[in-house]
Amino acid sequence: DGGITQSPKYLFRKEGQNVTLSCEQNLNHDAMYWYRQDPGQGLRLIYYSQIVNDFQKGDIAEGYSVSREKKESFPLTVTSAQKNPTAFYLCASTSGSGANVLTFGAGSRLTVL
Amino acid sequence: EDQVTQSPEALRLQEGESSSLNCSYTVSGLRGLFWYRQDPGKGPEFLFTLYSAGEEKEKERLKATLTKKESFLHITAPKPEDSATYLCAWGGSNDYKLSFGAGTTVTVRA
Repeated sequence: DGGITQSPKYLFRKEGQNVTLSCEQNLNHDAMYWYRQDPGQGLRLIYYSQIVNDFQKGDIAEGYSVSREKKESFPLTVTSAQKNPTAFYLCASTSGSGANVLTFGAGSRLTVL
Repeated sequence: EDQVTQSPEALRLQEGESSSLNCSYTVSGLRGLFWYRQDPGKGPEFLFTLYSAGEEKEKERLKATLTKKESFLHITAPKPEDSATYLCAWGGSNDYKLSFGAGTTVTVRA
């Protein structure tokens, strides 16, 4: 079945460490997205990519980095510069351009110890 | 400033007690208004897309409607399995992304 796979499901990090969250899709979608979700808040866009080797900052990109070397993959690195990284991270994808329906992964929960 | 506001933040219903969730928006160039359902610890699942005022869509006990300023998600005779957080989101005509509201958490008691 086609879908989006995020890993790991749970991740613990010490302060000062960089961590990378994986996102892989087999839907043949062109665009991929990373959102952050905190309790009581809506999803906030971190980065998005419409095509391979190109990506744009979202509303809260500071302290994060991404790459898009393959159509299927869009990993997110949470760097030590991110002040408050504990959150639920969601990867999504969509076909075509514009505001199409997003398909989401199951999420990765990052906790900083 | 473009924004989406959902109300109420939380809604507790008795099984069979119908109610509505509100999503009000002040955006320019609305391309689409989206509703998603999210269960705890999981990613959101797509429910509906509405594109123009007056449009309505239904799925089982859920019905979404759209006016020029707001969208409603009506839950008719809810069951405990309808308990979830319901998110609305909008897509702008010049954007390649969706912007989400904070969500309404619905709890349906048997």
